[in-house]
Amino acid sequence: NAGVTQTPKFRVLKTGQSMTLLCAQDMNHEYMYWYRQDPGMGLRLIHYSVGEGTTAKGEVPDGYNVSRLKKQNFLLGLESAAPSQTSVYFCASSWSGTSGETQYFGPGTRLLVL
Amino acid sequence: KQEVTQIPAALSVPEGENLVLNCSFTDSAIYNLQWFRQDPGKGLTSLLLIQSSQREQTSGRLNASLDKSSGRSTLYIAASQPGDSATYLCAVPRSNDYKLSFGAGTTVTVRA
Repeated sequence: NAGVTQTPKFRVLKTGQSMTLLCAQDMNHEYMYWYRQDPGMGLRLIHYSVGEGTTAKGEVPDGYNVSRLKKQNFLLGLESAAPSQTSVYFCASSWSGTSGETQYFGPGTRLLVL
Repeated sequence: KQEVTQIPAALSVPEGENLVLNCSFTDSAIYNLQWFRQDPGKGLTSLLLIQSSQREQTSGRLNASLDKSSGRSTLYIAASQPGDSATYLCAVPRSNDYKLSFGAGTTVTVRA
């Protein structure tokens, strides 16, 4: 079991460039999440999905888009990167939306936008 | 809106000393609270989850307490070791769902 994996591990972009972050999980989880982590601010939810083919906005969705075409994959897209999107991005997954359930996290993607 | 605060932001202790990490939240109507560990350059690993009906939860050298009425949780790590050096984050669900509100974390350094 690989758990939750993220690709790439690190990326440098220029302002205005686009890119897609890939998250994959092999635990057959229904729910998947994208967070960003910034110094001194904790993790903030960007978008999430409650099942294949569904997506929903989280706390800080502006400038990002997501897709969940396959149950095991959750993609996060930046159409026109901005320096404010420099951050560490974490993907997570869970069996269901029960609040008492643990989310499993990937190792993160470090993104630097110049 | 649920606000989660962790103080201090950083902590350095000699090996063997007990660690006390604090987490406070503004909305006491929580369903549970989780403590996570984050190693440098790595993702988060869940350590303990305390249900709202529980006062504390234990796992090995770790003990987490929860006082809903005062909006506080404390993570105790007994007899700290250099391997305990990491950032510890607490998180609570925003309401009755799965979306978590995280604290900024406490970075712990245990000196050998």
